[in-house]
Amino acid sequence: QEQLVQSGAEVKKPGASVKVSCKASGYNFNGYYIHWVRQAPGQGFEWMGRIAPHNGGTNYAQKFQGRVTMTRDTSIITAYMELSRLRSDDTAVYYCARGGLIEGRFNGMDVWGPGTTVTVSS
Amino acid sequence: SYVLTQPPSVSVAPGQTARITCGGDNIGSKSVHWYQQKPGQAPVRVIYDDSDRPSGIPERFSGSNSGDTATLIINRVEAGDEADYSCQVWDTSSNHPVFGGGTKLTVL
Repeated sequence: QEQLVQSGAEVKKPGASVKVSCKASGYNFNGYYIHWVRQAPGQGFEWMGRIAPHNGGTNYAQKFQGRVTMTRDTSIITAYMELSRLRSDDTAVYYCARGGLIEGRFNGMDVWGPGTTVTVSS
Repeated sequence: SYVLTQPPSVSVAPGQTARITCGGDNIGSKSVHWYQQKPGQAPVRVIYDDSDRPSGIPERFSGSNSGDTATLIINRVEAGDEADYSCQVWDTSSNHPVFGGGTKLTVL
């Protein structure tokens, strides 16, 4: 069945970087965008960006430009999100989610990873 | 950036109908997607393209979208429907998806 599995929780100090992985299974990895969405404690969802696995093309939210890097390794059907220069307000659960055929239009995010908790604290 | 507005909370008795709104400028011209999130769990898409229901989602869940308001409708509400619900659209001006702030549904 279609599934996204994420790496485990991370604790980082301010100024450090974190890299979260998202391994896909059960579907054509190259055929769908992977989005990254975060949710701070008690808050709503915030879109960070997306990657097209077939060619590595990315789109980032303006807020994260210069601090976020999304990559993928098609040989192990895994996407990555790296966030640098971490601050305390980056503490959140980070989700990867499948959203939209590469050659189609966006119809929501239909498969979600379980989330990765990132805690930024000195 | 496009703004989606949801009420922070909605309460309903079991067996009644819950209506959760999502307001946005001419949202009726966009496709709206809805997510359910239970505590400690990842979100689940319950409605896409205004009113389509993914496989496995009960028929009690439906949606509508017109003018400046989209609505998620849950008929015959059950205790297990208690969760946070968020709406989402694709913002063509910024070329990315945006979420509403979320609504906590409480089953009395």
